[in-house]
Amino acid sequence: KQEVTQIPAALSVPEGENLVLNCSFTDSAIYNLQWFRQDPGKGLTSLLLIQSSQREQTSGRLNASLDKSSGRSTLYIAASQPGDSATYLCAVYNNAGNMLTFGGGTRLMVKP
Amino acid sequence: SQTIHQWPATLVQPVGSPLSLECTVEGTSNPNLYWYRQAAGRGLQLLFYSVGIGQISSEVPQNLSASRPQDRQFILSSKKLLLSDSGFYLCAWTWGGESYTFGSGTRLTVV
Repeated sequence: KQEVTQIPAALSVPEGENLVLNCSFTDSAIYNLQWFRQDPGKGLTSLLLIQSSQREQTSGRLNASLDKSSGRSTLYIAASQPGDSATYLCAVYNNAGNMLTFGGGTRLMVKP
Repeated sequence: SQTIHQWPATLVQPVGSPLSLECTVEGTSNPNLYWYRQAAGRGLQLLFYSVGIGQISSEVPQNLSASRPQDRQFILSSKKLLLSDSGFYLCAWTWGGESYTFGSGTRLTVV
């Protein structure tokens, strides 16, 4: 059974810092990996989708990498802003691409 | 473009009452549909998923059921709510193994 772990569980940084969120998974036979953002009391917003044939994806100040062989993904946030404060969730697709397994999330607080 | 609608946004129900949450998707055909629950301080738990009309798979045995009466409609139900059913319920869709899209969620409080 796939297990997804996110470290750290919570992170508090001053504005402007570059930061890295980590995601690890136990079964490397994945289809895709997706990073989401969740604001308090809200649904999930997709940030980046990394397909199984890709090693990284970039969108603005966000960069996500994927190393299937080692079972790891990282989300890099450059020049963090208070508006980045949210919970970040990593989700791994099963091999058939029809089911997601989520990590527990990293709760990020960026202080002005 | 594709959109997903989920309602109601919040719901307060007494123990033992029935439940019906609805999710609809627009702009796509034959999507995979999902119900997730997020309990307070806990991660996202897959409850049900559907790959087609009338096809429902349950991941966790519980007090809830799901139905898919139409291609783009997914309903979560309960005959009698328990206190433990409280949580944040999220509907999602995907097609062809591509990006998952989530609805805005329903906050259910059972009192």
